[in-house]
Amino acid sequence: GDSVTQMEGPVTLSEEAFLTINCTYTATGYPSLFWYVQYPGEGLQLLLKATKADDKGSNKGFEATYRKETTSFHLEKGSVQVSDSAVYFCALSDRGNTPLVFGKGTRLSVIA
Amino acid sequence: ETGVTQSPTHLIKTRGQQVTLRCSSQSGHNTVSWYQQALGQGPQFIFQYYREEENGRGNFPPRFSGLQFPNYSSELNVNALELDDSALYLCASSSGWEVETQYFGPGTRLLVL
Repeated sequence: GDSVTQMEGPVTLSEEAFLTINCTYTATGYPSLFWYVQYPGEGLQLLLKATKADDKGSNKGFEATYRKETTSFHLEKGSVQVSDSAVYFCALSDRGNTPLVFGKGTRLSVIA
Repeated sequence: ETGVTQSPTHLIKTRGQQVTLRCSSQSGHNTVSWYQQALGQGPQFIFQYYREEENGRGNFPPRFSGLQFPNYSSELNVNALELDDSALYLCASSSGWEVETQYFGPGTRLLVL
């Protein structure tokens, strides 16, 4: 079945550092790819998405590019802030429809 | 828009008991999905309801069951609780099946002793 593998955390960075969280996937069909963020006590929030190969999703300074040749969708941000501290989940779905298949999540802590 | 709400926020049960979790979907949404998020893991799909009918189920045993009501709110029922059922249970509502229309609630944290 479809699956998502994320780099294990936790990841601890200083403010303004560069962030990369690796994500690879296995899927049949035509998956859409997503990154979600989970802040303490809050529901999962969609951060960005890409629906086909070479698409780049971006939001709030975060970016990820759908790489079909390497089955990857790595999350990047050029300069992290303390407010970016959260758990980040990579996910996929078939053609952009529910349900979602999630990775295990990566906890990010940004220190001032 | 009132957002997706879930109740209760936390509860504690003992092994063998039954539990009902509730979810109010966002206004205008007709689809509800339930996920189980064990500690340190990503959410896993339990099942989905569309207009009061179950239309998708993940790899969970039949003791996990659900309902969707005419107002599109939903319940998740778990019978014969096991220790491994301890998790955060997330509800998400959407308009149809498009992920982009899906909003998650804050979850119900269940502890089984």
